Amino acid sequence: DAGVTQSPTHLIKTRGQQVTLRCSPKSGHDTVSWYQQALGQGPQFIFQYYEEEERQRGNFPDRFSGHQFPNYSSELNVNALLLGDSALYLCASSPGPGGYEQYFGPGTRLTVT
Amino acid sequence: KNEVEQSPQNLTAQEGEFITINCSYSVGISALHWLQQHPGGGIVSLFMLSSGKKKHGRLIATINIQEKHSSLHITASHPRDSAVYICAVRLDFGNEKLTFGTGTRLTIIP
Repeated sequence: DAGVTQSPTHLIKTRGQQVTLRCSPKSGHDTVSWYQQALGQGPQFIFQYYEEEERQRGNFPDRFSGHQFPNYSSELNVNALLLGDSALYLCASSPGPGGYEQYFGPGTRLTVT
Repeated sequence: KNEVEQSPQNLTAQEGEFITINCSYSVGISALHWLQQHPGGGIVSLFMLSSGKKKHGRLIATINIQEKHSSLHITASHPRDSAVYICAVRLDFGNEKLTFGTGTRLTIIP
């Protein structure tokens, strides 16, 4: 049973560029949450997707957007990259939106230069 | 002040020692998670609890809702337990957002 997978593992982008990160949830899970973890900090909630809609959003600008596909996989898009967007981006899945335990993927490390 | 505070920030111990990591939060919650993060980033969920105590192998997690406090204990610690341990809370039912502490970096010396 595959757990949560994320791609790519590492990514280097230049300021002003756009990036797309991908997440496949654990089998049987239909809810995906995205988190940003800056170096030395705890993760910060970006948003959660359920039934292909953004269900809840954290305190992130509109440059951060997402999408969920019918197979429950999800993408995180970041436009107009800033140096401060450099972080580990974590995806977590759960078997529903209602307070279930979340299972985390290995993360995508984004470096903006 | 962060909504979730962990202590200590760093902890170094000898193999075999009993380890305690503490988490305090300032608001009402519906659930608390303990997570483990190894170098390289991947996060593993250890426990989710809303009351009482849970045990899995050498790990024990307790929570006191009235005191807004949780502890993670590791018995017979081993070098492979070296990791960052993170406490995260879900603030209320229907609020999907997890709010994280900054973590406790644990190093177990052989």
